[in-house]
Amino acid sequence: SSELTQDPAVSVALGQTVRITCQGDSLRNNYASWYQQKPGQAPILVIYGKNNRPPGIPDRLSASRSGNTASLTITGAQAEDEADYYCNSRNSDSNRPLFGGGTRLTVL
Amino acid sequence: EVQLLESGGGLVQPGGSLRLSCAASGFGFSSYAMSWVRQAPGKGLEWVSGISGNGANTFYADSVKGRFTISRDNSRNTMYVEMNNLRGEDTATYYCVRTEIGDYLVLGYWYFHLWGRGTLVTVSS
Repeated sequence: SSELTQDPAVSVALGQTVRITCQGDSLRNNYASWYQQKPGQAPILVIYGKNNRPPGIPDRLSASRSGNTASLTITGAQAEDEADYYCNSRNSDSNRPLFGGGTRLTVL
Repeated sequence: EVQLLESGGGLVQPGGSLRLSCAASGFGFSSYAMSWVRQAPGKGLEWVSGISGNGANTFYADSVKGRFTISRDNSRNTMYVEMNNLRGEDTATYYCVRTEIGDYLVLGYWYFHLWGRGTLVTVSS
């Protein structure tokens, strides 16, 4: 399959936990990565592989994968977590990357 | 400082051409694969093209294959994309991205580790 599906929008109360999901057949056999994009800024990588965070990314962000679904969990959401989040994986047949459509996270 | 700086964007007519450049600094450029990822106004991310560290392998999205050509000059720490026969749907901010590619049969990946600020390409008459 060549698609990754994300919910367009999700909201969370300040300090609560939220899960952002990404579904697609490619996730059964390939790693996912997650990108955060704030308005007017370039995306940044926040999670890659099993659950790796680049330097500077807070440990309240974590990731998991099960079957055809990858998830990004934010535990104790902060105002600065409000952003668009994109998942990414790979089409195994073509070895070409895929992006999900993005999820806009609102922190209430 | 580790940095990617895109240039070359602008307004071009449909059917026209444009060459974007990406100047890298602060890391061993030739050791890394690189990609172009674009984002149409108000839309999501779309991978456009990628190139291996030594330039031997290139990859294209179906939407640009045959129209775009990616290349790099490791002596100048610079990556390029030559865009021909541009269409309205090519209008987007184009990001230069340092990339990690795991081309494995199982558990493969493309990770986009470092992003430039982007350059806007507008295709319009």
